[in-house]
Amino acid sequence: DAGVIQSPRHEVTEMGQEVTLRCKPISGHDYLFWYRQTMMRGLELLIYFNNNVPIDDSGMPEDRFSAKMPNASFSTLKIQPSEPRDSAVYFCASSFRRGDEQYFGPGTRLTVT
Amino acid sequence: DAKTTQPPSMDCAEGRAANLPCNHSTISGNEYVYWYRQIHSQGPQYIIHGLKNNETNEMASLIITEDRKSSTLILPHATLRDTAVYYCIVRVSYSTLTFGKGTMLLVSP
Repeated sequence: DAGVIQSPRHEVTEMGQEVTLRCKPISGHDYLFWYRQTMMRGLELLIYFNNNVPIDDSGMPEDRFSAKMPNASFSTLKIQPSEPRDSAVYFCASSFRRGDEQYFGPGTRLTVT
Repeated sequence: DAKTTQPPSMDCAEGRAANLPCNHSTISGNEYVYWYRQIHSQGPQYIIHGLKNNETNEMASLIITEDRKSSTLILPHATLRDTAVYYCIVRVSYSTLTFGKGTMLLVSP
């Protein structure tokens, strides 16, 4: 298996633009997690899905952030409109069951100018 | 989930054993100890986990004290590629991961 795949790896955008981050989990994994990592706040869980259904989105910072999982092999995290404080590395992870070890993707480094 | 305390940084010579401590004095009976690491510019990577018995896999060994209030992750023969931030996480089996600041391990030649 290729592992968790994220795209793009790097994204630079201007404030106010819409940003879409993409994730393909490991085949057969029922759980998908989105994290954000910054120097100030460390690694934070934003939202997670079970069988394509959002279970807990309490970590999503504000309404500008939204996440979807239209099928078992694809998820998106969208920021609209983006702001400079959204600059961070965004990781996607998946696991077979909620308590199992999570496999992380390589991350998307987002820079909002 | 119980809170953990780790030293912010540690050094280790290449080829020597790296022993990374973690305190979790408020751990409850159904909480596991998990270790992940994050190499620079990569996503976190699962290493090992345990409940109360010592565990070993191809990457590392996990030693949990009898009272379960602390644990040690052991990398038996550290290499330069083991330089990373190591996170000790205590959680019940069904909860999500909460990452702290971890320990920055620097392995030097």
